[in-house]
Amino acid sequence: ELKVEQNPLFLSMQEGKNYTIYCNYSTTSDRLYWYRQDPGKSLESLFVLLSNGAVKQEGRLMASLDTKARLSTLHITAAVHDLSATYFCAVGPLDSNYQLIWGAGTKLIIKP
Amino acid sequence: DTGVSQNPRHKITKRGQNVTFRCDPISEHNRLYWYRQTLGQGPEFLTYFQNEAQLEKSRLLSDRFSAERPKGSFSTLEIQRTEQGDSAMYLCASSLLAMDTQYFGPGTRLTVL
Repeated sequence: ELKVEQNPLFLSMQEGKNYTIYCNYSTTSDRLYWYRQDPGKSLESLFVLLSNGAVKQEGRLMASLDTKARLSTLHITAAVHDLSATYFCAVGPLDSNYQLIWGAGTKLIIKP
Repeated sequence: DTGVSQNPRHKITKRGQNVTFRCDPISEHNRLYWYRQTLGQGPEFLTYFQNEAQLEKSRLLSDRFSAERPKGSFSTLEIQRTEQGDSAMYLCASSLLAMDTQYFGPGTRLTVL
């Protein structure tokens, strides 16, 4: 069974600092997604990573994928308060072209 | 197109009652997904449609749950004889292709008293 683990599950940090959220998964996969969720809101797509070594960046967020290590990272550079949210990674099993297995989420609080 | 929409946004019901939720996907998307999310957890997959065909149901989806997508456009999720454990956020998502990004609606928050 494919399992997805995120860490940390909770992160409180100061504005201007850098930090990384990790997403580990247990079996081979060919795609990984990062989403953002604000309190009481739905999920917003951030990145889709489809190949080993893939790196994508949008503003202060950068995501990367290492399929050999079964690891994806979401790096936050010079954090700002507006990035406070819960971040989820989701992994697509090789034996399914539609199902996603989700991590528990990382709740990120950025203090001004 | 304004994205995926879901109705109602909130539903409070008494245990044992039936409830039905509606999802309208992005118009050109022929793939539609239902998920359930509880507080502090990631979404759990419930079921998947390609056009009007329901291709997969999670083992989480008991016999009390049924989903339809009659014309390959909107979808409904019905829960019969609700239980307190059914209280959760029910999310709908759609995508154009099989491994494309799934775009989520705002969700329906169900509270079973």
